[in-house]
Amino acid sequence: GAVVSQHPSRVICKSGTSVKIECRSLDFQATTMFWYRQFPKQSLMLMATSNEGSKATYEQGVEKDKFLINHASLTLSTLTVTSAHPEDSSFYICSARDFRGNIQYFGAGTRLSVL
Amino acid sequence: QKEVEQNSGPLSVPEGAIASLNCTYSDRGSQSFFWYRQYSGKSPELIMFIYSNGDKEDGRFTAQLNKASQYVSLLIRDSQPSDSATYLCAPLKAAGNKLTFGGGTRVLVKP
Repeated sequence: GAVVSQHPSRVICKSGTSVKIECRSLDFQATTMFWYRQFPKQSLMLMATSNEGSKATYEQGVEKDKFLINHASLTLSTLTVTSAHPEDSSFYICSARDFRGNIQYFGAGTRLSVL
Repeated sequence: QKEVEQNSGPLSVPEGAIASLNCTYSDRGSQSFFWYRQYSGKSPELIMFIYSNGDKEDGRFTAQLNKASQYVSLLIRDSQPSDSATYLCAPLKAAGNKLTFGGGTRVLVKP
């Protein structure tokens, strides 16, 4: 299957700092990337859909000014958690959809812990 | 009613047996259906997908789809302890072309 690289895998930061997470499709072009958040023992919650070269579409209840998404190229999308607080601690997972079809491949995820 | 319903489990099966996982969905416009496996603390990995009514086999996995009943299932044959994970059913919503995830079924394969 296709490879999606997500970095970093784990972040521990102080409250009030900003954290950037990168998501790269390594062997395919992804016109659309997705950002999910998952709390313990819960399913994935879609935060936003990111299309290359355009503004991200955020799901209801997700603050776009807090979770900044940039999709500057067909292989790279970034999520910046601004002014992180302990309640933002979660498992953030990106996925990329191969432009040739509807299959989504997931990155390994980033575990964010805000102290 | 949830958009995607799955029995949360755990579904406990002995090694070598068949694990049967069910999923129902509410969006009649969904045309593509995906099964992902998620190990504890890891991200989901694609197991298989199905677009047409009927069965689709891939190795030890068989997906079954019945769009009229809005039902999709996954069978795992010759279950192994390494199959112990949470299995996520994800129909692709017609509106917005986005995956909708069920809560997942936790499978426990006992040696």
